[in-house]
Parts: sequence; structure tokens; C-alpha cells
Amino acid sequence: GAGVSQSPSNKVTEKGKDVELRCDPISGHTALYWYRQSLGQGLEFLIYFQGNSAPDKSGLPSDRFSAERTGGSVSTLTIQRTQQEDSAVYLCASSLGTQIYNEQFFGPGTRLTVL
Amino acid sequence: EDQVTQSPEALRLQEGESSSLNCSYTVSGLRGLFWYRQDPGKGPEFLFTLYSAGEEKEKERLKATLTKKESFLHITAPKPEDSATYLCAVQAKGSGTYKYIFGTGTRLKVLA
Repeated sequence: GAGVSQSPSNKVTEKGKDVELRCDPISGHTALYWYRQSLGQGLEFLIYFQGNSAPDKSGLPSDRFSAERTGGSVSTLTIQRTQQEDSAVYLCASSLGTQIYNEQFFGPGTRLTVL
Repeated sequence: EDQVTQSPEALRLQEGESSSLNCSYTVSGLRGLFWYRQDPGKGPEFLFTLYSAGEEKEKERLKATLTKKESFLHITAPKPEDSATYLCAVQAKGSGTYKYIFGTGTRLKVLA
């Protein structure tokens, strides 16, 4: 079956512009996660959604970052007024649930470059 | 502060030369430790979950072990196709939720 897909694969934008990154999780997966991977840094947790519960936004670095998940499936990560330090690979993952034994399946990522 | 540290940052091995990667962690409320493999331009691929000290898991040439302070990923007789970045992560109990903390990875290069 299809894995996690993300679009676009690459995004180049100018400082100050807004960007939207999309994630299509594996069908039936109730948990969805967003991470950021900067050069030389580990994956940084941003936000996760579990079913219809309120998302855990504790990892969002600033109020310029927001995410939504419509209909319990597709998710969009929005970065407003992008800054150069936002340049990174943004990874999405999904899992059957948030229990420890639920493996996370990652998408290929969106490489964001802010000029 | 919760932390995950991986060493070495980079490792070059000859084909067939066994070695170990280290992941040391300092977290409160550890629920499990994960190992992932990441190839360039791709998302991480799940390898193992370890739940408690003393646990071991194996998959082909890889074996993961866990103690109360660290985990090792042992690579036996590696092949060039094992070249990748290996990531360690922990799931820990946060305030009212769970949090995932990743290390920065070990870049492994296996030479033919």
C-alpha cells in the first residue's frame, strides 16, 4: 500500500512569505506527527495529532507555525512570515496510534529554503 | 533536561568490519527507545523499539541492546548497503502527553 506522502518535495521562498506544506498519512493511521530536521541537528518534534483530540502543539517554535488536520486525514503545516532560520527539511510521520508499540512511518520530507 | 546523545558522529568501516554505535540518554519517564535508519533524501525508516533494560532485538546484521543509560546498535560484518545515518530516539512522558526526542545520528559509511 501507499506510504506517507508529502508535497511539495522542495520549496524555495522569499523571507516574509507564507508557505504551506502538506502531508498525506497512511490510510487508517490516527496519529500524525510533524518534525523539522535542520543540518547537523536531530529531528525536532513540532506537533502531533491523535484522532479527534486537541493537537499537542508543545514543539512549535513560534506562533508563526501552525498546523491543522482535516477530517482526521490530510494535514497542512503553515509557516507565516518565513525567516531564513526556518530553512530545513520538514518531515511528517503517521502511526496507528500513539502507544509505544505503534511504529511511526515517515514521509520523504519537504525541503524548505528561505532566501 | 531530557537529552539523547549519539556517538560517534561519523564512522567509516571496511566491509566485514563489525562495530557498535552508541546512544546515551537522560530522560525522565522513558517509555521506549527507537532506532531508525535514514538514507539521503529520505525519511527515517523504523528498525527497532526497545522497551526495558536488558532487552535485545536483532534484524539481519543489526542487533540493538538497551541498558538504563544507553543503547547500542551492533553491526556485524557490515556491507556497503548498510551505509546510512542511524538515528536513535526516545519516547518519554511529558506533562500530560508524550514527547519524542531524537539524537543527531551517526553517519555510517561502509567501504567495499
